[in-house]
Amino acid sequence: EIVLTQSPGTLSLSPGERATLSCRASQSVSSNYLAWYQQKPGQAPRLLIYGASSRATGLPDRFSGSGSGTDFTLTISRLEPEDFAMYYCQQYGSSPRTFGQGTKVEIK
Amino acid sequence: QVQLQESGPGLVKPSETLSLTCTISGASISSSYWSWIRQPPGKGLEWIGYIYYTGSTDYNPSLKSRVTISVDTSKNRFSLKLSSVTPADTAVYYCARSAVWFDPWGQGTLVTVSS
Repeated sequence: EIVLTQSPGTLSLSPGERATLSCRASQSVSSNYLAWYQQKPGQAPRLLIYGASSRATGLPDRFSGSGSGTDFTLTISRLEPEDFAMYYCQQYGSSPRTFGQGTKVEIK
Repeated sequence: QVQLQESGPGLVKPSETLSLTCTISGASISSSYWSWIRQPPGKGLEWIGYIYYTGSTDYNPSLKSRVTISVDTSKNRFSLKLSSVTPADTAVYYCARSAVWFDPWGQGTLVTVSS
């Protein structure tokens, strides 16, 4: 099973700042099969990124994904008020599908 | 627009079987794989398993001995059964499209295991 470790656990930033979230895998993720999700309290997760760097339909271009192998990054170039939420990475290169433990982006 | 809706009891007794159904609208169940994912209160996400309309399945080994996912093509829905539940199975249960990245998700349903 691939274990995904996200860092930091909490990111305290102000609107307009840049957010950089990390997801590290315990072994190489096949074909960069990695996705990112955003979850707000009381809501289901929402797909942001798949294939490590492809944006979901309608996603603002301030969100970008990068990385390969075992190290992946989600970047939010300029935080908007609606971006403060929990973020999860997930690998689908092997079974079982696994998620990271999450990074909370909170308002400083 | 594809929409998914979970349904089922919100309270299950320990040692009994949890049963949930996910009804799909806006797409045919034969068009994709379909998954179940859960999230204990205040915790992270755990993939439970997926099914294809043919009945082909894959389950998380951590739950495999207790999980059954089935499909009803005539009603465009799929179901989850989790046997011998304990309080550790208390979670919001989500259904979602796909067996790779998950999109979209249902709104989720909280299932509490308690006597």
